Amino acid sequence: SQKIEQNSEALNIQEGKTATLTCNYTNYSPAYLQWYRQDPGRGPVFLLLIRENEKEKRKERLKVTFDTTLKQSLFHITASQPADSATYLCALGRRSNTGKLIFGQGTTLQVKP
Amino acid sequence: GAVVSQHPSWVICKSGTSVKIECRSLDFQATTMFWYRQFPKQSLMLMATSNEGSKATYEQGVEKDKFLINHASLTLSTLTVTSAHPEDSSFYICSATGGPSDEQFFGPGTRLTVL
Repeated sequence: SQKIEQNSEALNIQEGKTATLTCNYTNYSPAYLQWYRQDPGRGPVFLLLIRENEKEKRKERLKVTFDTTLKQSLFHITASQPADSATYLCALGRRSNTGKLIFGQGTTLQVKP
Repeated sequence: GAVVSQHPSWVICKSGTSVKIECRSLDFQATTMFWYRQFPKQSLMLMATSNEGSKATYEQGVEKDKFLINHASLTLSTLTVTSAHPEDSSFYICSATGGPSDEQFFGPGTRLTVL
């Protein structure tokens, strides 16, 4: 069955360091992958979308890589700040017009000052 | 950027009553809207896909008579939880897509508590 795995354990890092979050998937062939930020009691906020034919995408302090051979995406936050503390979700979408996404369980990031 | 709103943000109701949740795309026309539910410490689970002017497509295990979805316009979709019971208590979140991009934008969520 389809499976998306994100680090279930919280990631604790020091302010200023680079946070790297992992999203692995099996039994799935995504056309694109999206990363979201979710704060407690709030809906997810869209961050980045990367397509299967793209290796890397950047947006300000964020960088996403997508390796379809390894079936893995890495999400980096450089120069992390305490305000970056949140749960980060990866979601995969297929090459179709339904737009349906399958979500990972999320990784909680805690940036300490 | 694309903004999706939900109303209400939270609701408490008695068991057996029905609750309606609205989802609106404020600055774009949403060809497709999605409804999710999320339990504490768990990921988002897709409940149904809603296309304007057509019947919603429900995921396996989701009762369509329990969770009524109406997508009357390109900016509004509603989810009605009928005869709500305590086990329906959850965080309900809608999302919307529109235009050529696959980006999906989420509402702030609605916390439903059924007593």
